[in-house]
Amino acid sequence: EAQVTQNPRYLITVTGKKLTVTCSQNMNHEYMSWYRQDPGLGLRQIYYSMNVEVTDKGDVPEGYKVSRKEKRNFPLILESPSPNQTSLYFCASSPKTGQLYEQYFGPGTRLTVT
Amino acid sequence: GQQLNQSPQSMFIQEGEDVSMNCTSSSIFNTWLWYKQDPGEGPVLLIALYKAGELTSNGRLTAQFGITRKDSFLNISASIPSDVGIYFCAGQVIYNQGGKLIFGQGTELSVKP
Repeated sequence: EAQVTQNPRYLITVTGKKLTVTCSQNMNHEYMSWYRQDPGLGLRQIYYSMNVEVTDKGDVPEGYKVSRKEKRNFPLILESPSPNQTSLYFCASSPKTGQLYEQYFGPGTRLTVT
Repeated sequence: GQQLNQSPQSMFIQEGEDVSMNCTSSSIFNTWLWYKQDPGEGPVLLIALYKAGELTSNGRLTAQFGITRKDSFLNISASIPSDVGIYFCAGQVIYNQGGKLIFGQGTELSVKP
């Protein structure tokens, strides 16, 4: 089954404790992206990757890091989480940059930073 | 940066009623998309619009790409309880070094049986 998986689905952590949210897709997609969803703000892009070893900042990259060492995986790293990073996070993938309309979303990771 | 203004933010309707929501932007997009997010899940694509003026249907859903390329609407006819969720519009931007989707703030739909 074609899918995007994220882990963990739920995470409660404390300020400053480094964490990683994993994302994996099994569709051989080139383009992957991370979004955060906050009430009244919709989905905002954090980082994206057009292919292996090619990443770039989205609209709200501060406090986040990503890497793309393999095509299928695109982890999101919070080196020193803060309470304002409490949010619902989605990973997504698309076949290519020009085919973003075929964007598949993961099930989401709800992060709470206390 | 580019923004999409989606309205209304929320709607409470009776089963069987029709629903309309829209998105506007100060920028031009070459593709408009409409997504639905069920509770506890990621957004799923409902309709994609590729040309200005295009009107596309998917079952009880109808969406249009505005002539100016700066707006789009989504209509749902004869709503049913499973229509409950958050609906997002999104515009696609492609540029030399990449591309992205810009999302609206979402319309939360509640349907009373």
